[in-house]
This record gives sequence, structure tokens and C-alpha cells, in this order.
Amino acid sequence: GENVEQHPSTLSVQEGDSAVIKCTYSDSASNYFPWYKQELGKRPQLIIDIRSNVGEKKDQRIAVTLNKTAKHFSLHITETQPEDSAVYFCAPKTDSWGKLQFGAGTQVVVTP
Amino acid sequence: EPEVTQTPSHQVTQMGQEVILRCVPISNHLYFYWYRQILGQKVEFLVSFYNNEISEKSEIFDDQFSVERPDGSNFTLKIRSTKLEDSAMYFCASSGGASNQPQHFGDGTRLSIL
Repeated sequence: GENVEQHPSTLSVQEGDSAVIKCTYSDSASNYFPWYKQELGKRPQLIIDIRSNVGEKKDQRIAVTLNKTAKHFSLHITETQPEDSAVYFCAPKTDSWGKLQFGAGTQVVVTP
Repeated sequence: EPEVTQTPSHQVTQMGQEVILRCVPISNHLYFYWYRQILGQKVEFLVSFYNNEISEKSEIFDDQFSVERPDGSNFTLKIRSTKLEDSAMYFCASSGGASNQPQHFGDGTRLSIL
């Protein structure tokens, strides 16, 4: 099965700085790469996703980059704000209609 | 924006009792999922459901678990005889029919087994 690893497990940044989280996966058949944000006690919320035929996607302060050869994809948050504080999960998928395979999560803390 | 809705938000049950968690997926979605998240841990896949049958299930989804779509809107998860280790947050998710559509999650049901 798919082995998913996220790094770092915790990330503390000053407000206004950038944050980068990396997700490594093992199954070369993975074809869909989302990032979810989960605030304490809330649902996982999709913030950005990318499909295997694209190398990069950007949505305002958030971007995702994909390196299929190296089997990793990364979440980039620029100009961080306190409301970006949350746990972020990557969840690659191999089957187009199948399960998400969540990583262990990265706790991001943005300090004012 | 359409949402996945789950009820109840919190369920407290005695060990050994049956529990049913309910979900209303987004109305035009065709694929349905249950995940669980033990406090402080990652989200784990339980089961996926399409066309009125299970598509895939994890090793967590043993004989004590079942899913059903009793009508055109509800999607339920039943745990027949609950154990202490079933205590977790249970999330329902749904996605559309095209390939690699986003999975949208409900707010979850916090299940506490005493």
C-alpha cells in the first residue's frame, strides 16, 4: 500500500514569513495530490489540489508543487497570517475514485 | 455552497452497544466515504461506497462495521458492538462522479465509548 510521510511534523513561523511542508509518497501510480487544513475540532478542509499532469498550481497565498519523478509534493504558504495556524495533511490518491491516504500531519503555528 | 452534513455531532455510548452515525452527502455526489480520526492522530480510511455497494474497505472495517444508503439522501455507518478503542471522530466525505474530484468532508461525529 501507499506509504505517506510529511515533514516537518511541526513548523513555527513568524507572521509574514513563508511556510513549506513536504509530502513524500511511495506509490508511483498516485495521480491526485490534495492538501487539507484542519483547525482544532473541525473537519479537514481542502485548500488546494493538483493532478499528476501538472507541476505547479497557485491560489493566492497558497501553492502546491509536484515532483512525480522524486515522488513528493509540497505545500507553500506565503505571507503567513495567524489564521493559517492549523494542522495540514497531505493525502495522495492512486485510484481516481478511491481513498485518500493521509499523512501524519504538520502542526503549523504562526506567531504575530 | 453545498455541504456534507453529519448527525449527531457527539454520541456517547456504553461499550457493547450499537451505534449508528448518519451522513447526508452533497446531493449530486456519487462516491461516499467514512474516515475516522483518533484524537491527535491522522485521518484513517474506513470504507468507500458507490452504486449501493462497498468499493473498498480497510482492515479497521471489520465485521462489527457496516454501511448503508437506506434512501436517496442518507449514508449511515453502523458499529454493531462498540469497543473502547472505537472512540474517535468519524468523518463522512463525498465526491462527484468524474475522476479525481475533491472529497468534501462533513463536520464529523465525535464518538465516545464508556
